[in-house]
Amino acid sequence: DVKVTQSSRYLVKRTGEKVFLECVQDMDHENMFWYRQDPGLGLRLIYFSYDVKMKEKGDIPEGYSVSREKKERFSLILESASTNQTSMYLCASSRGGNQPQHFGDGTRLSIL
Amino acid sequence: KQEVTQIPAALSVPEGENLVLNCSFTDSAIYNLQWFRQDPGKGLTSLLLIQSSQREQTSGRLNASLDKSSGRSTLYIAASQPGDSATYLCAVVSGTYKYIFGTGTRLKVLA
Repeated sequence: DVKVTQSSRYLVKRTGEKVFLECVQDMDHENMFWYRQDPGLGLRLIYFSYDVKMKEKGDIPEGYSVSREKKERFSLILESASTNQTSMYLCASSRGGNQPQHFGDGTRLSIL
Repeated sequence: KQEVTQIPAALSVPEGENLVLNCSFTDSAIYNLQWFRQDPGKGLTSLLLIQSSQREQTSGRLNASLDKSSGRSTLYIAASQPGDSATYLCAVVSGTYKYIFGTGTRLKVLA
């Protein structure tokens, strides 16, 4: 079974802090994704990566950056956290564009 | 712009009932469609993926159908159980890597 592991289930940070969310997958998948999920808005794509060191902006990249130094790891960085970034963050991976996405358990991030 | 709609937003049924969840999309040019289940406070679990060339996929008590021309997919759950209670989301893949999610149907199966 594919396993996508997010480093924290719950995280509380302060406004202005630099925040790192980590995601690791164990199935050698090429593609990795970061989403945020908010009530009434559904899942929205922040960034995705189709190879090591490659990244593409999703629908809402403002205020975020990503890093993919190794194939199995995809990090989401909040450069200067703000309260409107309080959300559920979900990481996913897939083998290719026509293959199913597999999700981690999510990180519920609160910015105070 | 692709839009994905799931109606109803919430549904309660007695245990044992067969039920259908709906997913509609506006642009029929899709690569595939995937159904997920999400338990409260958790990530998404992949249930079924239907390629654009397929009409349906089955896994156990679940059957998903796809009608691209009408922009619709349905998820059929047979003999529902309380353990099926969750939010069900569909996502269409339009363009490489581009997953567009619906906002989900929250299902409650009453014992």
